[in-house]
Amino acid sequence: SQQGEEDPQALSIQEGENATMNCSYKTSINNLQWYRQNSGRGLVHLILIRSNEREKHSGRLRVTLDTSKKSSSLLITASRAADTASYFCATDAGTGNQFYFGTGTSLTVIP
Amino acid sequence: NAGVMQNPRHLVRRRGQEARLRCSPMKGHSHVYWYRQLPEEGLKFMVYLQKENIIDESGMPKERFSAEFPKEGPSILRIQQVVRGDSAAYFCASSPPGSQGNEQFFGPGTRLTVL
Repeated sequence: SQQGEEDPQALSIQEGENATMNCSYKTSINNLQWYRQNSGRGLVHLILIRSNEREKHSGRLRVTLDTSKKSSSLLITASRAADTASYFCATDAGTGNQFYFGTGTSLTVIP
Repeated sequence: NAGVMQNPRHLVRRRGQEARLRCSPMKGHSHVYWYRQLPEEGLKFMVYLQKENIIDESGMPKERFSAEFPKEGPSILRIQQVVRGDSAAYFCASSPPGSQGNEQFFGPGTRLTVL
């Protein structure tokens, strides 16, 4: 299946440290997106990176995309306790209609 | 501009009952997507609709599940004769016309519990 897979499944760090999450997928894509989900809440869009882009920044977030390896990484710098959430990558498998989500990385930032 | 609205936020049904989940897309959005999230899992695509049309229902279970997006009113995801395995969070997302491949805006989800 096209489903993205995040790695690691769970990550626990101290406040102020950087958190890196990885995502791998299987088929060609138009774009890849990262979402955050706080416990029991809906998804919040973080960042979209297109297949012709290699790196993108948004505030404390840095996303990279390597289409040759079919992988992406999300880096959160100077983490805060409020960053505690699950993070999902989503790919569109080139269709643009539906997104395929991985199982997510559960990030815990310890104050 | 209000975001994607879903209601109810929580729904409890007994086995065999029907569940109706509603989604109002963002203003100006004509594309609606439904996803299901089972406990401890990621989101799984179910169906993609435009006004009065089902575009892609490849993720919908073949039986008991149906979806519509009428000309007027919200999109409805309907689950007939619910079973315990239907317990999940159901998320709706919307995107504007001509937005293939672009960001989908997600609602807060409806958490369905089947007793």
